[in-house]
Amino acid sequence: DTGVSQDPRHKITKRGQNVTFRCDPISEHNRLYWYRQTLGQGPEFLTYFQNEAQLEKSRLLSDRFSAERPKGSFSTLEIQRTEQGDSAMYLCASRGQGLDSYEQYFGPGTRLTVT
Amino acid sequence: TQLLEQSPQFLSIQEGENLTVYCNSSSVFSSLQWYRQEPGEGPVLLVTVVTGGEVKKLKRLTFQFGDARKDSSLHITAAQPGDTGLYLCAGRYNTDKLIFGTGTRLQVFP
Repeated sequence: DTGVSQDPRHKITKRGQNVTFRCDPISEHNRLYWYRQTLGQGPEFLTYFQNEAQLEKSRLLSDRFSAERPKGSFSTLEIQRTEQGDSAMYLCASRGQGLDSYEQYFGPGTRLTVT
Repeated sequence: TQLLEQSPQFLSIQEGENLTVYCNSSSVFSSLQWYRQEPGEGPVLLVTVVTGGEVKKLKRLTFQFGDARKDSSLHITAAQPGDTGLYLCAGRYNTDKLIFGTGTRLQVFP
């Protein structure tokens, strides 16, 4: 199995621009998660999908954020009208579907810098 | 709101020393995971504990899950410079998302 991949690894954008990140989970993992990590903090949950259904969204996910997983495989996270406070590492994780499968495996992250 | 407290926040030690990192919550975990993260990379899973009182070993790392499933510890024996990194505990409560602690930044000097 290849691991979780994310693209791009780094993104620098100007305030007010839109950005989109992509996550490819481990193949056959039906659950996919997005987290955000700011400097010096642990990751914070944003949202997660089971197959193509978005099952939970954090209050951190403002109206400017939208996530999709249209075919139940890769996912995209879009941020509209970026603000400097959006600067963070955006992490994607995936998990298998077995009842005993608790582990979430993380990708390398996308580092967003909003100038 | 569930809170996961990790201590210490920072740890600087010499190669060969032992150390323990703690992870505590007022809520009961359904499972708990420990991750290690390098700068600019995603967290890498070290271990998952599920049963109260469970002890797992990974080479020089020993993980314990409290009997009441509210706390956990990570003990490293004879630390090496390659152990340097951010150690994160993450708990699952009654939903599928992980709640992370703030992390323990470990620096091991040769």
